[in-house]
Amino acid sequence: EPEVTQTPSHQVTQMGQEVILRCVPISNHLYFYWYRQILGQKVEFLVSFYNNEISEKSEIFDDQFSVERPDGSNFTLKIRSTKLEDSAMYFCAILFVTLNTQYFGPGTRLTVL
Amino acid sequence: DQQVKQNSPSLSVQEGRISILNCDYTNSMFDYFLWYKKYPAEGPTFLISISSIKDKNEDGRFTVFLNKSAKHLSLHIVPSQPGDSAVYFCAASAFGNQFYFGTGTSLTVIP
Repeated sequence: EPEVTQTPSHQVTQMGQEVILRCVPISNHLYFYWYRQILGQKVEFLVSFYNNEISEKSEIFDDQFSVERPDGSNFTLKIRSTKLEDSAMYFCAILFVTLNTQYFGPGTRLTVL
Repeated sequence: DQQVKQNSPSLSVQEGRISILNCDYTNSMFDYFLWYKKYPAEGPTFLISISSIKDKNEDGRFTVFLNKSAKHLSLHIVPSQPGDSAVYFCAASAFGNQFYFGTGTSLTVIP
C-alpha cells in the first residue's frame, strides 16, 4: 500500500494569514487530490492534480486556494487568506492507478482563529 | 448536491455478529465504489472496493454488495470485532474522476 505523509499534523493560524499544507508521497505518483473534512461533516473534494496541472476542482476551491508541486515530489495546498470556516482536516490522496483507488494521508488539522 | 448518501449516522452491533452498513447513490454514471474506514484525527483508510461490472466483492471478513438497479451498496462485516469500531464512509466515482463521499456511519462493536 502506498504511503503518504502530511505536514504539519496540526496548524493553528490567525484569520487572514496564509498557510501551506504539504503532502509527500513515498513513491512517485502522477495523480494527487486534496480533500477536506469540516468537523462532523462529510469528506469533501477540493481539487485533483495530474501531471503538474489541475485536472478538476470543486466550487469550494476558489481563488484563495492554490496547489503546486514545487520540487517534483512535495505536493502543496496553499490558502492565501484563511477564514474561520477553513478550519477543517485537510487530506491529500494519491491514486494507485492499477487499483483505481485513492490512498489518503493522515491529514492536517487546520485551526483558524 | 448529495450524490452519495449514508442514511444511518450510527450503528451498534454485538461482537461476533454481522454489521451491515448501507450506502445509496443518485448518479447512474458512477462506476467505481469504495469503502473507507476512519478513526478520529486520522485519514480515511481504504477498506474494499467494487466496480460496476460486479455485484459482490469479498475480502476476508468484509464483503461489499452492489445493486445497480437500486443504486445501493452495502458493506457486511462478519464477524464484527471491537477493533472495527470506526466511522465508515462509502465513496463513488465516475470514469476515474473525483470521489464523492457519503456522510459516514459510526460503527460501534460492543464486546
